[in-house]
Amino acid sequence: RKEVEQDPGPFNVPEGATVAFNCTYSNSASQSFFWYRQDCRKEPKLLMSVYSSGNEDGRFTAQLNRASQYISLLIRDSKLSDSATYLCVVIDPGGKLIFGQGTELSVKP
Amino acid sequence: EPEVTQTPSHQVTQMGQEVILRCVPISNHLYFYWYRQILGQKVEFLVSFYNNEISEKSEIFDDQFSVERPDGSNFTLKIRSTKLEDSAMYFCASSVRGEGGYTFGSGTRLTVV
Repeated sequence: RKEVEQDPGPFNVPEGATVAFNCTYSNSASQSFFWYRQDCRKEPKLLMSVYSSGNEDGRFTAQLNRASQYISLLIRDSKLSDSATYLCVVIDPGGKLIFGQGTELSVKP
Repeated sequence: EPEVTQTPSHQVTQMGQEVILRCVPISNHLYFYWYRQILGQKVEFLVSFYNNEISEKSEIFDDQFSVERPDGSNFTLKIRSTKLEDSAMYFCASSVRGEGGYTFGSGTRLTVV
């Protein structure tokens, strides 16, 4: 089983759509969880941390289910500028980031 | 906003040559990392560095790789004898506490020919 596994992409959605990404992780001792965004050939940039209670930042909502080792990201009212690859990232007990393969999102007019 | 700076942005080198990738982490950060991303693949951990020594390294980080913090500000990755499969984007990252709040540099694209 992969350490961090994400939905295969790409997701092609119209502007204004709601889109959800899923992610699972294999190490139950993982400590912290994040969603990063990566634009083509650029560095990963932190989008948001993910907390057990769920957290929201504007149009973005992240959820964590530790029992199922499952993380999600919901984007509401998609904008053209949301087009990017979304990376599910987990911090392992040693403190290093473990990245998922990423899910590509393309928002069309 | 503080930045992690990487140089060069792109380097082309011949197979077998040595390359040094340079990074200037954020000044009050204590933990430093190198990651790499082969085109079309996921970001992979190479090495972490704290208190002037390697704290963890991956299987990728073999004897051809080394890291150094020569002067208290720069953090370098050296590849002694490059191979074609070393072609990738190399990202430097730093953090204050080593448990989150990582900041990535914009990367060095290494092309080995």
